[in-house]
Amino acid sequence: SAVISQKPSRDICQRGTSLTIQCQVDSQVTMMFWYRQQPGQSLTLIATANQGSEATYESGFVIDKFPISRPNLTFSTLTVSNMSPEDSSIYLCSATGGAGGGTDTQYFGPGTRLTVL
Amino acid sequence: RKEVEQDPGPFNVPEGATVAFNCTYSNSASQSFFWYRQDCRKEPKLLMSVYSSGNEDGRFTAQLNRASQYISLLIRDSKLSDSATYLCVVNGAGSGGSNYKLTFGKGTLLTVNP
Repeated sequence: SAVISQKPSRDICQRGTSLTIQCQVDSQVTMMFWYRQQPGQSLTLIATANQGSEATYESGFVIDKFPISRPNLTFSTLTVSNMSPEDSSIYLCSATGGAGGGTDTQYFGPGTRLTVL
Repeated sequence: RKEVEQDPGPFNVPEGATVAFNCTYSNSASQSFFWYRQDCRKEPKLLMSVYSSGNEDGRFTAQLNRASQYISLLIRDSKLSDSATYLCVVNGAGSGGSNYKLTFGKGTLLTVNP
């Protein structure tokens, strides 16, 4: 299974600012994803991070609010832009398609706990 | 109908009890099915995949009924360490049946008491 790390693990931010979250996988993976988990809720997919091209966003999420980069097969970033208190959530990176793993088994990073004041 | 729907819970059971979780999914084109476990303030971790023939891993048994679009997880002889939220997860449950999109149920909280 892939080992995934995220930075920062948590942050407290002011309204109107932006935060970039980094996701690093210890091996090359086919697919990387970004999820949001709001308090007391389950995970919701924000977007699929595509290597070398624009991310594919799910309904309700847009690039201007959540720009995503994926410069290579092991790294991705998610930026939460112009934050408001409603963006307070846990943001999780996941990956699939690594060596020894199937393309439908996803492994998750530890998450970034974001609080917006 | 929600894409993936689980028992709302929470479940509180004594050690040694058998507990069953149920889940239904709406998209008949869904391709892969999983149970994930999420401990408090931790990320989800894959517990087991679910196959049409049913599969067992120690105390855990998962079943899939494609005709009824129903998934279950049975935990026998529950331990204190089984306390967690159990997430029913379906691959390809969303519109278009994307191969890689996971759709999560809201999860069912299990507390195993001494």
